[in-house]
Amino acid sequence: AQKVTQAQTEISVVEKEDVTLDCVYETRDTTYYLFWYKQPPSGELVFLIRRNSFDEQNEISGRYSWNFQKSTSSFNFTITASQVVDSAVYFCALSGTDTGGGNKLTFGTGTQLKVEL
Amino acid sequence: ETGVTQTPRHLVMGMTNKKSLKCEQHLGHNAMYWYKQSAKKPLELMFVYSLEERVENNSVPSRFSPECPNSSHLFLHLHTLQPEDSALYLCASSQQSGLNTGELFFGEGSRLTVL
Repeated sequence: AQKVTQAQTEISVVEKEDVTLDCVYETRDTTYYLFWYKQPPSGELVFLIRRNSFDEQNEISGRYSWNFQKSTSSFNFTITASQVVDSAVYFCALSGTDTGGGNKLTFGTGTQLKVEL
Repeated sequence: ETGVTQTPRHLVMGMTNKKSLKCEQHLGHNAMYWYKQSAKKPLELMFVYSLEERVENNSVPSRFSPECPNSSHLFLHLHTLQPEDSALYLCASSQQSGLNTGELFFGEGSRLTVL
């Protein structure tokens, strides 16, 4: 069985602070994919990143960066110089290699990020 | 504007009503999904359709009935719901490649309240 744990339920920061959202996962698959999605107040989940289990290189995209550590089964997400527009719920997700049809993701419970002026 | 459109955005219904949620994707994808999002719970996968065939039904009660008439449309028919079914219902689509690589595209959801 797969599991994704986001221990931080809610984080509040002041604009321009850096913030890291934690994600720990469990899977028995040797090949798997990890994702981060952002859910703004409008409701739709917006895809941010996909990382496969064989690629442990960290990735940076603008103010966003991701740290994948297979040894600790973690895939943490850092926002540098946070802005009010970053306020949203962020979900970490995991998919395995079940090829029974469809891309079935296991989601964490999400972290509510509030960025204040 | 999202490539996945859900209607209605908000729905209030009594326990004896019959209603339907509609999802339409404009992305040319071949797989569609229904997820349930309840407060303080992970998103729960309800149904998956791949190439218009249902491939997943995660022990969802029969009061929820999905329908996928074609690759662009997905419905969730609701009948005799319970108050605990109140939640945000999210539709998603993806291009199924057999490698389970994810990247689902989500709609904005239908907020359902059962009285």
